[in-house]
Amino acid sequence: DTAVSQTPKYLVTQMGNDKSIKCEQNLGHDTMYWYKQDSKKFLKIMFSYNNKELIINETVPNRFSPKSPDKAHLNLHINSLELGDSAVYFCASSQRRGGPYNEQFFGPGTRLTVL
Amino acid sequence: AQSVSQHNHHVILSEAASLELGCNYSYGGTVNLFWYVQYPGQHLQLLLKYFSGDPLVKGIKGFEAEFIKSKFSFNLRKPSVQWSDTAEYFCAVNPSYNTDKLIFGTGTRLQVFP
Repeated sequence: DTAVSQTPKYLVTQMGNDKSIKCEQNLGHDTMYWYKQDSKKFLKIMFSYNNKELIINETVPNRFSPKSPDKAHLNLHINSLELGDSAVYFCASSQRRGGPYNEQFFGPGTRLTVL
Repeated sequence: AQSVSQHNHHVILSEAASLELGCNYSYGGTVNLFWYVQYPGQHLQLLLKYFSGDPLVKGIKGFEAEFIKSKFSFNLRKPSVQWSDTAEYFCAVNPSYNTDKLIFGTGTRLQVFP
């Protein structure tokens, strides 16, 4: 009955590889997010989708491509991985866009290590 | 760019001590405010939130926060901490110019010793 789930929990890979992280929420929320948490624990938003439509696209290398097949899923695909991509990636969801509905529920995170 | 500052990077307390963690933001308009907690090895969980009304907000686990608009602050407090409060605490702001976005502070690591 996990609200926001991510797979995998840990991902170790070589530079140059392509990898994907999956996220699913069973809360019936309309809006989903991807955040990157760096080694200093700083959390920064990367992308947000509302009902499968991209609404936030921060300054993120175009090696990162989110995909939302339906409003319960938001996957993150990363091409040509670099050392600097090592981080914990968190998925989150909120009931709707903006304001009082922007209480976000977070997944457990995916720790990506690029060697 | 709007920012959120948490000046206490690392706080060490003994059990039963009182806690206050600072949070200041740089946006002058209407904001929604949040405090999240991240226990070791776990995901972020919401402690409390402020949207409007009473500026003193009570959250879970005995935490509260006070919104002082004139000081652009939303400090988190707890009168008596427990060892189980050891965690990373994040303040976040949702500005009215972009209500889709949560801007997080850099976090405060709290260690509570028995």
